[in-house]
Amino acid sequence: DGGITQSPKYLFRKEGQNVTLSCEQNLNHDAMYWYRQDPGQGLRLIYYSQIVNDFQKGDIAEGYSVSREKKESFPLTVTSAQKNPTAFYLCASSIEGRGNTEAFFGQGTRLTVV
Amino acid sequence: AQTVTQSQPEMSVQEAETVTLSCTYDTSESDYYLFWYKQPPSRQMILVIRQEAYKQQNATENRFSVNFQKAAKSFSLKISDSQLGDAAMYFCAYKDRSNDMRFGAGTRLTVKP
Repeated sequence: DGGITQSPKYLFRKEGQNVTLSCEQNLNHDAMYWYRQDPGQGLRLIYYSQIVNDFQKGDIAEGYSVSREKKESFPLTVTSAQKNPTAFYLCASSIEGRGNTEAFFGQGTRLTVV
Repeated sequence: AQTVTQSQPEMSVQEAETVTLSCTYDTSESDYYLFWYKQPPSRQMILVIRQEAYKQQNATENRFSVNFQKAAKSFSLKISDSQLGDAAMYFCAYKDRSNDMRFGAGTRLTVKP
């Protein structure tokens, strides 16, 4: 089945540790995204990537890093520089270019930093 | 960066009635795409409806329709014959040709039986 897989679903880390969230898609999509969602809030863009080895910062990129070495994968690292990392993280992908290219979403990762 | 504004944090509708959710956006682009997504308690994002900016005709998907006013930069969602299963968070989204995709803060819809 084609889709986007985020893992793990729940993640716990101690304060000060870096943590990497996984996002894999087999939809052959060019564009991939990372969003952060806080309780009762909307989705805020962290990073997005249009093609391999290229990515752009979103509104809240500070304290996060990404890589796009393969078309299928777009991992997000939450670094110790991120002041409030506890949140729900959503990964998405879409076809690049013209057309009604809506984003398809993974099921999310709930990160809790203690 | 483009911004998307949803001015209604919460809305309520009686089952079988109609409700309209508001969305405005700010952009200098002429070619872009607009979407409404639904997020139920499972937190899975589900596409409700989409609209291409160059199309004047408003999109319709069964009980869901939009009122797209390009000059006013407005993109509202109308839900007709509301059902209990429509209760969720609804997010308006804007996507430009560079694939930059932004979301509004969301509207929590409650459906009363």
